[in-house]
Amino acid sequence: AQSVTQLGSHVSVSEGALVLLRCNYSSSVPPYLFWYVQYPNQGLQLLLKYTTGATLVKGINGFEAEFKKSETSFHLTKPSAHMSDAAEYFCAVSDPGANSKLTFGKGITLSVRP
Amino acid sequence: DADVTQTPRNRITKTGKRIMLECSQTKGHDRMYWYRQDPGLGLRLIYYSFDVKDINKGEISDGYSVSRQAQAKFSLSLESAIPNQTALYFCATSDLGAGQGSGYTFGSGTRLTVV
Repeated sequence: AQSVTQLGSHVSVSEGALVLLRCNYSSSVPPYLFWYVQYPNQGLQLLLKYTTGATLVKGINGFEAEFKKSETSFHLTKPSAHMSDAAEYFCAVSDPGANSKLTFGKGITLSVRP
Repeated sequence: DADVTQTPRNRITKTGKRIMLECSQTKGHDRMYWYRQDPGLGLRLIYYSFDVKDINKGEISDGYSVSRQAQAKFSLSLESAIPNQTALYFCATSDLGAGQGSGYTFGSGTRLTVV
């Protein structure tokens, strides 16, 4: 079974500051890892995913995440926050199987201060 | 039109009532899912279907049922709604497993309030 842990429920940064959202996973098999974003009154949108290969993954809107097996982590970063980044962010995990399903973390709300 | 359409967008219902949430998709995907989102709990899987003849329970299926009427349609029913089923409900589709193919496509959600 897989699970993800997102510590904290809310992160606030200033516009232009570094964004760091933490995600740790637990998995008995090599995991696939995902970050999704949810803007107000919208569904979830995929930011990026790690399946195999390069451990540094680049996604949309300037976000990236690095898979660190030794730390069981998949933290999301963005060098410079924009006001438009304010949203809820979910880390998710699946196994690599053909019938795999997503298991989500609790989510974390990002606020961006002017 | 959206790839995954959920109706209604918002619904208030009374305890004990039966309610159906509907999901339709134009993605042509075989796999469909129902999740509920609660503050501080993230999204949890209620039911999923890998094709029209395949229905599976997720981690929190008690109190819910589903119907896969066609490849494009997957409905979620609350037979007798209770207040702790107040949540935001999402439908999603995929063509393959979670990390394969084009991944999951989510609808915009149905906000359900049970009073």
